[in-house]
Amino acid sequence: NAGVTQTPKFQVLKTGQSMTLQCAQDMNHEYMSWYRQDPGMGLRLIHYSVGAGITDQGEVPNGYNVSRSTTEDFPLRLLSAAPSQTSVYFCASSPRGSNEKLFFGSGTQLSVL
Amino acid sequence: GNSVTQMEGPVTLSEEAFLTINCTYTATGYPSLFWYVQYPGEGLQLLLKATKADDKGSNKGFEATYRKETTSFHLEKGSVQVSDSAVYFCARMNYGGSQGNLIFGKGTKLSVKP
Repeated sequence: NAGVTQTPKFQVLKTGQSMTLQCAQDMNHEYMSWYRQDPGMGLRLIHYSVGAGITDQGEVPNGYNVSRSTTEDFPLRLLSAAPSQTSVYFCASSPRGSNEKLFFGSGTQLSVL
Repeated sequence: GNSVTQMEGPVTLSEEAFLTINCTYTATGYPSLFWYVQYPGEGLQLLLKATKADDKGSNKGFEATYRKETTSFHLEKGSVQVSDSAVYFCARMNYGGSQGNLIFGKGTKLSVKP
């Protein structure tokens, strides 16, 4: 049982490059979300989705795009990477109607130079 | 505003010591409260939760009681082990948008020495 799978685990980008962080879950969860974790800041919500075709902004959405074409996948796109986006990114999911218990992936460590 | 404040770390304890990590929240109403734990190199996982005032959440020897009078949800454990070394996050539900989401505190790093 894989749970929530994030790829890649590590990534280095140059300023202005674009890339997509992948997130997939095999638990048939309706709710999925992306957080970034920065030292001294805790976790901050970037975007979330309550089901296929539905997405919404979190606390810090600027510079990121998401889409939810399937229940399983919730990719996070950086359109033009900036050093301020250097962070650890976590994807999380939960069963429908129970987004209180989140299941987290193991994270993607991103550095933007 | 709506936020979660937890004590600054890092916290270093000897094995079998008593642990308290303070957490207070601001909110309208009485949101569900949580403690999540992050072991090195891993994502967060739910440790315990409480959904209403005076509820006590417990798991793996950890406890936290929902105190509406003091808007607090302090995490306690009577005797910590080396394996409890991790970062602990307090969180609360935030109801808004298309559905509620979790707001996390900044995290408290705990190191337990043998």
